[in-house]
Amino acid sequence: DQQVKQNSPSLSVQEGRISILNCDYTNSMFDYFLWYKKYPAEGPTFLISISSIKDKNEDGRFTVFLNKSAKHLSLHIVPSQPGDSAVYFCAAKRMNYGGSQGNLIFGKGTKLSVKP
Amino acid sequence: DAGVIQSPRHEVTEMGQEVTLRCKLISGHNSLFWYRQTMMRGLELLIYFNNNVPIDDSGMPEDRFSAKMPNASFSTLKIQPSEPRDSAVYFCASSLVQTSTDTQYFGPGTRLTVL
Repeated sequence: DQQVKQNSPSLSVQEGRISILNCDYTNSMFDYFLWYKKYPAEGPTFLISISSIKDKNEDGRFTVFLNKSAKHLSLHIVPSQPGDSAVYFCAAKRMNYGGSQGNLIFGKGTKLSVKP
Repeated sequence: DAGVIQSPRHEVTEMGQEVTLRCKLISGHNSLFWYRQTMMRGLELLIYFNNNVPIDDSGMPEDRFSAKMPNASFSTLKIQPSEPRDSAVYFCASSLVQTSTDTQYFGPGTRLTVL
């Protein structure tokens, strides 16, 4: 049973426009959420995160929004650039789980293509 | 810093053979994670070490898989005997666990093909 779901396997956007990547989760105990970006033949790299006490976190062109009641988060990239073309993974975890951290649970990823 | 180093980058082997994947952590990091990525299941955690001690190995698929940390900076993931369904990309990641929001840094992965 997938606890973190990215229902769109791919997304194509024109350069300069907004990219919106979506992620849903089922476990209400998750309280920390991350986005990772992955280029071909490389490992995932951390992009941005958000704690459940916030509903928005912004870092340059990247903004993550969290809707706890809907168990939904999204990553907005504005403006999109061709170099943003990559696979984006959503991940979630419990910050306090039996005295230690819970493990990161990843979605299957969304492949973003930004066309010039 | 060279980042997390994994070797080999590609491995092709025949069913039944032993496979050993290697990972060198970022200097100063104290946690090590092994993940497996497949089309069907996405990115799954196999095992997690903290200060050389295995903390959670619930993701290890079966007894054919074993992982060790012989020292603070190095880990191996061994599959013996290997099977075609083990074909996947295997990533290791390291982090410095000082706060509960520590970031994991991934290596480039080892693409394993078992024929």
